[in-house]
Amino acid sequence: AQSVTQLDSQVPVFEEAPVELRCNYSSSVSVYLFWYVQYPNQGLQLLLKYLSGSTLVESINGFEAEFNKSQTSFHLRKPSVHISDTAEYFCAVSRLGAQKLVFGQGTRLTINP
Amino acid sequence: GAGVSQSPSNKVTEKGKDVELRCDPISGHTALYWYRQSLGQGLEFLIYFQGNSAPDKSGLPSDRFSAERTGGSVSTLTIQRTQQEDSAVYLCASSFGVPDTQYFGPGTRLTVL
Repeated sequence: AQSVTQLDSQVPVFEEAPVELRCNYSSSVSVYLFWYVQYPNQGLQLLLKYLSGSTLVESINGFEAEFNKSQTSFHLRKPSVHISDTAEYFCAVSRLGAQKLVFGQGTRLTINP
Repeated sequence: GAGVSQSPSNKVTEKGKDVELRCDPISGHTALYWYRQSLGQGLEFLIYFQGNSAPDKSGLPSDRFSAERTGGSVSTLTIQRTQQEDSAVYLCASSFGVPDTQYFGPGTRLTVL
């Protein structure tokens, strides 16, 4: 079975500072990896995903994540955050050939001015 | 185009009553998923449909929970004899295929008194 660990439940940062949200997964088989974001009072939206190919994936709003197979990690980074990035971020994994997503517990990112 | 829609957006019910939650997936999406988001358990997979069949029901927490999908489109999640621990936000998602991005609806917030 797959499992996902998000090491930080809350991450407070100042605006324009860099941020890293950590995600580690456990699986005995190959997986797909996802980051979803949930803005206040909104539904889950896909931020970025790794299916195959380049291990570095990027989103349209400046986030990136790197798939590290040896460390079983898929950490999310942004070099300079904005107030609008305030949200809860969920890392998720699905096993190749399976359909369901297994989510981490989420990391609440709070941006202070 | 239209996204995934769910109804009702909020449902308050008394313990022991039955409830039905509805999901309208994105047109043309063959795969449909139900998840549950609660404070104690985070985001949990419940059931997956491919067309009208459910090859993975592994996340349904008890036999009080059931779901069906008709016409390869609308799905209904039914909870019989609701309990207080059923209180959660029930999320529906759909995707064009597998593996593919799962697009989430806004959810139904269920409160069992």
